[in-house]
Amino acid sequence: EPEVTQTPSHQVTQMGQEVILRCVPISNHLYFYWYRQILGQKVEFLVSFYNNEISEKSEIFDDQFSVERPDGSNFTLKIRSTKLEDSAMYFCASRPTGGYGQPQHFGDGTRLSIL
Amino acid sequence: TQLLEQSPQFLSIQEGENLTVYCNSSSVFSSLQWYRQEPGEGPVLLVTVVTGGEVKKLKRLTFQFGDARKDSSLHITAAQPGDTGLYLCAGAPTSGTYKYIFGTGTRLKVLA
Repeated sequence: EPEVTQTPSHQVTQMGQEVILRCVPISNHLYFYWYRQILGQKVEFLVSFYNNEISEKSEIFDDQFSVERPDGSNFTLKIRSTKLEDSAMYFCASRPTGGYGQPQHFGDGTRLSIL
Repeated sequence: TQLLEQSPQFLSIQEGENLTVYCNSSSVFSSLQWYRQEPGEGPVLLVTVVTGGEVKKLKRLTFQFGDARKDSSLHITAAQPGDTGLYLCAGAPTSGTYKYIFGTGTRLKVLA
């Protein structure tokens, strides 16, 4: 069964450094998402992406965050200058089309640790 | 702000017992998903419910969407140790880009 893949599985970075988290969504999917889960807390929506542009973003997704689909395959999340509070699991998800019955499929996440 | 509250937060039961997990909100959702998440992994989809009052069964798991599409329940019959995990509900708002609002989660432990 097709799945969403994320790399790396674990990223350790010094505070203030830039990080890029990578995702390969399921190939025929059209909507892409990033979520994060701080340890012990619930999963939170960051951003949705459709037709090569951001379609919705949360308050968490400030100017330090950006997303890109550079080559029609990868979907990346960039954090420009990381803070300690950015430490979390970051999940990528994709769904095939519009329509409320179509669920999102999640990758296994990237654990981001900011030192 | 739309919120989904799950109850109970933690549940520890003996193998063979039945249990129900609840997912409640004051907001209407266009669909609701149940996921199970293992440590260090992403949420794995169990079911999607779309229609108010809808009931879906997945082996020993029964999912129900409330008539008003504001709440849902997950019932497990004859729980097994393999059912141990974190159960998450996630609702899709009625407008926007189908982002999910996740519930607070129910951590289930089934003892052999």
